[in-house]
Amino acid sequence: GDSVTQMEGPVTLSEEAFLTINCTYTATGYPSLFWYVQYPGEGLQLLLKATKADDKGSNKGFEATYRKETTSFHLEKGSVQVSDSAVYFCALSYAGNNRKLIWGLGTSLAVNP
Amino acid sequence: NAGVTQTPKFRVLKTGQSMTLLCAQDMNHEYMYWYRQDPGMGLRLIHYSVGEGTTAKGEVPDGYNVSRLKKQNFLLGLESAAPSQTSVYFCASNRDMAGNEQFFGPGTRLTVL
Repeated sequence: GDSVTQMEGPVTLSEEAFLTINCTYTATGYPSLFWYVQYPGEGLQLLLKATKADDKGSNKGFEATYRKETTSFHLEKGSVQVSDSAVYFCALSYAGNNRKLIWGLGTSLAVNP
Repeated sequence: NAGVTQTPKFRVLKTGQSMTLLCAQDMNHEYMYWYRQDPGMGLRLIHYSVGEGTTAKGEVPDGYNVSRLKKQNFLLGLESAAPSQTSVYFCASNRDMAGNEQFFGPGTRLTVL
């Protein structure tokens, strides 16, 4: 079945460090891929997305590239800030499953000053 | 636009009590979803709707009922609350295209004693 696997947290970094959060997926269709972010005490919000192979999503200094050959959508940021401390969720959806999002379990990121 | 709103924000119930969580969206979205979020388990889909008057079960529907009498509203009911239903509940909505993001409400924190 469809699934999303992301690296376990928590991830703890110092400010200005490089961030990678790995995400791999399995899907029977041709999915769109998403990264959502949840700041403490808030709901989830879309961080970036990619709808087809080789697309790169980017937002707020974060990037992720849709790699069909490795079924991956790794999240990266070159220099994290304290304000990036949050939980990050990788997810997929496609037309064949009623647009339901298939979620990873989330990766908690803490950035220390 | 208010986006997706949820009421109430917090609630404490005793075992066996009933309640209804209300989700409203003003974006004219067709698809609406109810999730629960528990530590270490990510987001799990309870029920969803693909349009006014329709509902369908997600991965953890037991103990919950839903209704979508109006396009903009999606109600989640607990007929007889149990401690296992202590969780944070999120509502989300999106348009009828797989690549579109889901918009989330701020969540309802429910405690069942």
